[in-house]
Amino acid sequence: QVQVVESGGGVVQPGTSLGLSCAASGFTFSRHPMHWVRQAAGKGLEWVALISYDGSNKYYADSVEGRFTISRDNSKNTLYLQMSFLRAEDTAVYYCVKGYLGTSYGPFDSWGQGTLVTVSS
Amino acid sequence: DIVMTQSPDSLAVSLGERATINCRSSQSLLYSPNNKNYLAWYQQKPGQPPKLLIYWASTRESGVPDRFSGSGSGADFTLTISSLQAEDVAVYYCQQYYGTPVTFGHGTAVEIK
Repeated sequence: QVQVVESGGGVVQPGTSLGLSCAASGFTFSRHPMHWVRQAAGKGLEWVALISYDGSNKYYADSVEGRFTISRDNSKNTLYLQMSFLRAEDTAVYYCVKGYLGTSYGPFDSWGQGTLVTVSS
Repeated sequence: DIVMTQSPDSLAVSLGERATINCRSSQSLLYSPNNKNYLAWYQQKPGQPPKLLIYWASTRESGVPDRFSGSGSGADFTLTISSLQAEDVAVYYCQQYYGTPVTFGHGTAVEIK
């Protein structure tokens, strides 16, 4: 079955960097766009970034543009999110999300369990 | 950015009764070339990730009970739970994927009356 499993979360100080990974299985990873979505405690869902199936196109929320980088390795079925210059407001559960086959503009059909990132001094 | 506005913020419904959640977008989500509305609904239970319920405004995801239905077009959409069950207690989000940034409504919490 489809699985996406995030890793790499933790507690970091403001201004520092952290990298997240997402291991995908149960589907043809290289044919699907992938997203990162975050959720602060008790809050709603905030889309963070999108990468096209082949990695050629990347899009970011304004709140992370220039600080976060999304990437993928289709040979390893793995999605990444490199986060730099972290701020307290980046504290959230980060979800790796599988996008709809065939288009970057489609529903989010499988979500991981999430990994918690806490930015605190 | 496309703003998604959900109503109500919360909803208490008796078991077996109908629950209706509304979602309005700040611009049309209907893409004329394929006549599809780029709107999805998600269910999130406490401590769990969101789960896709409905996409293209009215297509039920595989495995989703048929008491869940989506309707609407353009900028006004509705999620209906025809007969509320105890396991439907959750927060429901609408989402537009018409363009980036992808945006979500703020969520509607559904509880049992």
